[in-house]
This record gives sequence, C-alpha cells and structure tokens, in this order.
Amino acid sequence: QVQLVESGGDLVKPGGSLRVSCAASGFNFSDHYMTWIRQAPGKGLEWLSYISNRGTTTSYADSVKGRFTISRDDSKNSVYLQMNSLGGDDTAVYYCARDPGYCSGGRCYQRLDALDIWGQGTMVTVSS
Amino acid sequence: DVQMTQSPSFLSASVGDTVTITCRASQSSSTYLNWYQQKPGKAPILLIYGASNLQSGVPSRFSGSGSGTDFTLTISSLQPEDFATYYCQQSYRTPNSFGQGTKLEIK
Repeated sequence: QVQLVESGGDLVKPGGSLRVSCAASGFNFSDHYMTWIRQAPGKGLEWLSYISNRGTTTSYADSVKGRFTISRDDSKNSVYLQMNSLGGDDTAVYYCARDPGYCSGGRCYQRLDALDIWGQGTMVTVSS
Repeated sequence: DVQMTQSPSFLSASVGDTVTITCRASQSSSTYLNWYQQKPGKAPILLIYGASNLQSGVPSRFSGSGSGTDFTLTISSLQPEDFATYYCQQSYRTPNSFGQGTKLEIK
C-alpha cells in the first residue's frame, strides 16, 4: 500500500547534527514533490522544506534555512533531511509528506499543493 | 511570510452539532488553502484541498469555502470520530505555513 516511513530520529546534543530519512513505497516516488514538516511536543505543525520531483527545486522555512538540507534519492525511493547546528527548538516529531499532483484535461501536474500521504513521524530530541 | 490565524483555538460541541472553523491569511492565498485533521499521536490527514475540494475518502459532512484571505471549514452533524485538532495550511507562497490549530472537544 501507499506509505511513507520515517527513520533516524534520535537524542542529539545541542550543536550536533542528524539526518532523518523517509522511505516511500506503493507509488511512483520519482513523480512527486516531497515535504518535511515538524511538530514540537504539544505544539502545532511547522512546514520546513520541500523538494521537487526531480530534485531541482527546494525551499526552506526561515527557521531552518542554512542549517537543514533536503535531498532525495529516487533509486532508493527516499527523501532525507540533513539537520546541522541543532538546538532545543528543533526538538520535535519530524514528518515527511507527499504532494499527490493531479491530472486534468489530459495533462498531469506534479503539484496539487497539498499533502495527502504522511508518515508516522520520527522523534528528534535535542538535549545535553 | 504568510501568517495563518485560526479561530477559535478551542471549540466545544456535541455530537450532531454543526461547527465552523475559520482561517485568515495575512496575505492573499487565492484558493491555495488546505485543511487537515490530526488526532493525538497520529499524523495529520488531508480533508480539504484548494479551499473547497473534498479529499477522496473524506466524509461529505466536511466542507470548505473561501478565497483570498478568509476561509472556513464546516463540519455538519458532528460524529464522535470528528473530535480532533484541525489545521489550515496555505500553499500559495513558501513557506507553506500552517495555522496554530483548532482543538475540537466534546461538550
């Protein structure tokens, strides 16, 4: 079935680095934009970054720009988030999600600009 | 950046009620507005995309409307499984910001 599975969450010391991964299955991963979102304990959702279907376009929230890097490996059906210079404010569950795209009038588009499939999340804790 | 403000932040209602949650954007988001439902310990679920389009598999008691800066999510005839937290998200400009959430509780 269509699913996303995140992994790599861990306890990290302030100033440290971590890479979280998201493995996709059940759909043609290479066709889809992918997004990372996080949720601090007891807080709301925060959009972090997206990467285009060919990896040529990325975008970041100001809170992570210059510290986090999104990438993808279509041969492994995976998207990654490399996180550097981590601080306590980065403690959160990290979710990856898929933009489903859509087809209309005989043409297909990579972006519906919505997130229809989410993983279960992976917990990143930044603490000394 | 576009700031998304939901109201109310907390909402108490009974099974069978009709409720409306509003979302206001600090800049026009056209109709690039999505609604998600999240239950404790679970990932969010897409309910509405493009302001008013019902995601496949979502019950028809959920509906969305609006454009520009003002949007609404309406849930008709509340069911026990609808008690959850709801988030709006604009996807017109990056960063694709979320509202702070509306927690819908049983009265």
